[in-house]
Amino acid sequence: DQQVKQNSPSLSVQEGRISILNCDYTNSMFDYFLWYKKYPAEGPTFLISISSIKDKNEDGRFTVFLNKSAKHLSLHIVPSQPGDSAVYFCAASARGAQKLVFGQGTRLTINP
Amino acid sequence: DAGVIQSPRHEVTEMGQEVTLRCKPISGHDYLFWYRQTMMRGLELLIYFNNNVPIDDSGMPEDRFSAKMPNASFSTLKIQPSEPRDSAVYFCASSLMGQGIDSNQPQHFGDGTRLSIL
Repeated sequence: DQQVKQNSPSLSVQEGRISILNCDYTNSMFDYFLWYKKYPAEGPTFLISISSIKDKNEDGRFTVFLNKSAKHLSLHIVPSQPGDSAVYFCAASARGAQKLVFGQGTRLTINP
Repeated sequence: DAGVIQSPRHEVTEMGQEVTLRCKPISGHDYLFWYRQTMMRGLELLIYFNNNVPIDDSGMPEDRFSAKMPNASFSTLKIQPSEPRDSAVYFCASSLMGQGIDSNQPQHFGDGTRLSIL
């Protein structure tokens, strides 16, 4: 029973273009969503989050969009840079709950 | 600022041996989490603590697994006896307790312990 799904195991994007990573969830109690980036042999690094009272949150090159009716969120990276090559995890929790449920991850490769 | 510190980074041991993984959370954080990452199951939460008290251990796979947090700056995850299927990367994470509308706070992860049970 996967409550958070990242259906694309991998994504390849040209340097300078937009990278769009997608995530779907099934639990309607989730109202806090996060994206983490992970390099090999390192722990996941927090990137950006969004709560359900918003539909967009922006931080530099990174923007997260939330569509509550579709139970879908996406991470946009513009412009993509070689250092963005990593595995990206989507995670979700209910308000006030500390338990995070993670997706399986999407490996992003930025090609020069 | 020091992040979450885990030790050892790598552990290779034989089946049946006791394994102890260690974690030092970020100073001032109220929550501590233990995760396990495998190819099959991805990142799964094993147990978490609030102010050194275990809150939810429903993810702990078996009685062979135990976790303690004797003080705010140290936690251990112990496997006894270890089995080959316990081979995985184990992550520790910590977070602050939020307030009100910011009741959710991001978790910050250590670099993990890669455990191999032969």
